[in-house]
Amino acid sequence: DAGVIQSPRHEVTEMGQEVTLRCKPISGHDYLFWYRQTMMRGLELLIYFNNNVPIDDSGMPEDRFSAKMPNASFSTLKIQPSEPRDSAVYFCASSLGPYTQYFGPGTRLTVL
Amino acid sequence: AQSVTQLGSHVSVSEGALVLLRCNYSSSVPPYLFWYVQYPNQGLQLLLKYTSAATLVKGINGFEAEFKKSETSFHLTKPSAHMSDAAEYFCAVSDFDGNKLVFGAGTILRVKS
Repeated sequence: DAGVIQSPRHEVTEMGQEVTLRCKPISGHDYLFWYRQTMMRGLELLIYFNNNVPIDDSGMPEDRFSAKMPNASFSTLKIQPSEPRDSAVYFCASSLGPYTQYFGPGTRLTVL
Repeated sequence: AQSVTQLGSHVSVSEGALVLLRCNYSSSVPPYLFWYVQYPNQGLQLLLKYTSAATLVKGINGFEAEFKKSETSFHLTKPSAHMSDAAEYFCAVSDFDGNKLVFGAGTILRVKS
């Protein structure tokens, strides 16, 4: 099994640019989660989907952030416009039912 | 709202010694509790989970944790540390649906030879 796939692994961009992070969950999983990890705030859940439908987006920091899941095998997290304070590692995770989330390797985002 | 406190941001043990990583939780409903491990530049991997079955939970790599409701604790232990256990460990709590995880700040475990 390939596990959760995230791309790109590293992204460096300039303030004001649009950033799109991508995630392919494990085949057959019905939940998908987006997390952000920073030194200051630790690991935070941003949003999660069940069967491609957003269930809870209360962790999305502001309107500059948006997430979509057009089908069961693909999700995106978009930041527009990006700011230096968005620099973090963004993780995608998926699960089959609750309790056991499988994490991807993460995307390290640096906004200059 | 749920929350997790991990006591000690860094723990150092000698190889072969007992590992004890502390986690206390706060929850208004019966919690689901988790321990994850993160190796450098990798994602998180589930070590074990408590979902209201047995209070002593055994996980991978020889780790186990005991749910103590009276102490609101879920400490992680391993009888004998191995060099490969060096990593960051996160305790997490979830509410009734087991999905929305709230993580602690993490504890970095160092294993000395």
